[in-house]
Amino acid sequence: GAVVSQHPSWVICKSGTSVKIECRSLDFQATTMFWYRQFPKQSLMLMATSNEGSKATYEQGVEKDKFLINHASLTLSTLTVTSAHPEDSSFYICSAEDRAKNTGELFFGEGSRLTVL
Amino acid sequence: AQSVTQLDSHVSVSEGTPVLLRCNYSSSYSPSLFWYVQHPNKGLQLLLKYTSAATLVKGINGFEAEFKKSETSFHLTKPSAHMSDAAEYFCVVSRGMNTGFQKLVFGTGTRLLVSP
Repeated sequence: GAVVSQHPSWVICKSGTSVKIECRSLDFQATTMFWYRQFPKQSLMLMATSNEGSKATYEQGVEKDKFLINHASLTLSTLTVTSAHPEDSSFYICSAEDRAKNTGELFFGEGSRLTVL
Repeated sequence: AQSVTQLDSHVSVSEGTPVLLRCNYSSSYSPSLFWYVQHPNKGLQLLLKYTSAATLVKGINGFEAEFKKSETSFHLTKPSAHMSDAAEYFCVVSRGMNTGFQKLVFGTGTRLLVSP
């Protein structure tokens, strides 16, 4: 149980295009999901907190118009990188909290590697 | 502000020998500390957590960690490495009081290599 799946696991796109990454909780409902970004050989950095049915909360320094987050259902959050540029190339990871268990424990997806040419 | 430092980017051990992955933290107040493991192409999995209860914390797969306030350390250990332990390990501290698991600050990770 408590599986979080991300899609796609990797994507290559041209500069200027937009890319959508999905994060799904497969066997539980997630009121809250989190999006992280990881540069090579660096830490995971929290980008934003996604709450079902409301606007995402972005961390300081993260452009909300560039990284659009939508959490329209209790099992799905999406991250859209708009007008992508090479500096947006990174590994994006999501995590989710199991609403029913209410332990605060987070379950992580496998990550999505974005390469912008 | 909270931060964690993982002192080794890579650790190599032989199967059957002890594992030690080092982590030092910095926190303005009593932190919650965690170790996560990430196997290739898999999500991060919680190994163990410290939340101000017992200082010696036992986790899954035979791992344990000891919270030492005087040394600001939370090193991860295992008596005997197994080939399946080869993975990336992250030391993590919670950010902000009463945030539980949510506002996490990650270390840079330590890659554990296990040779036969």
